[in-house]
Amino acid sequence: DIQMTQSPSSLSASVGDRVTITCRASQTINKYLNWYQHKSGKAPKLLIQTTSRLQSGVPSRFSGSGSGTDFTLTVSSLQPEDVATYYCQHSYSDPPYTFGQGTKVEIK
Amino acid sequence: EVQLLESGGGLVQPGGSLRLSCAASGFTFSNYAMTWVRQAPGKGLEWVSAISGTGGSTYYADSVKGRFTMSRDNSKNTVYLQMSSLRGEDTAVYYCAKVLVLAVDGDLDYWGQGTLVTVSS
Repeated sequence: DIQMTQSPSSLSASVGDRVTITCRASQTINKYLNWYQHKSGKAPKLLIQTTSRLQSGVPSRFSGSGSGTDFTLTVSSLQPEDVATYYCQHSYSDPPYTFGQGTKVEIK
Repeated sequence: EVQLLESGGGLVQPGGSLRLSCAASGFTFSNYAMTWVRQAPGKGLEWVSAISGTGGSTYYADSVKGRFTMSRDNSKNTVYLQMSSLRGEDTAVYYCAKVLVLAVDGDLDYWGQGTLVTVSS
């Protein structure tokens, strides 16, 4: 099975800061990497599909990049409503489509 | 509007069984694969199982293979997760999620609110 490793596990940043979360796959997954946002008590939400495809309604301050084994989620200007845990997940080839361990984002 | 409503969670003893249901609405159910994802207390998301739109293909995580069975009834717009030989480590919130396409894939575009399963004596 493909393992997904995120870093950092948590971060605290100020409103307006640029925030970057990285995700590494244990083997190449081409561009088949998704990012989800999970707010406490809510259903997880698909933010970015296939590395960089922003889902409808997702603010443009969110962006994704990478290929192969290394990927990045960037929030260009952190907002209070972005407080959440973010997960990467691969969708390469066959299941299981494993998730990273998550990155908890807080406001400083 | 797409809606996914899970039910069937609760308290069960180790070794026991439970069946979760997920009722879907707002889309042509049989055209999409479905997935179950769980989150244990204080832990991250874990992909559990998936079923194709026709129900002809199912997949499981190694942690539940042989104990959990996923199925669907396209006439009722509902997917199920039959869980047996339950263990403490199965304690989690179980989410039902819609896949973007007919075949099983990892892209989960809509999720339910989840149902809590607690395995304890």
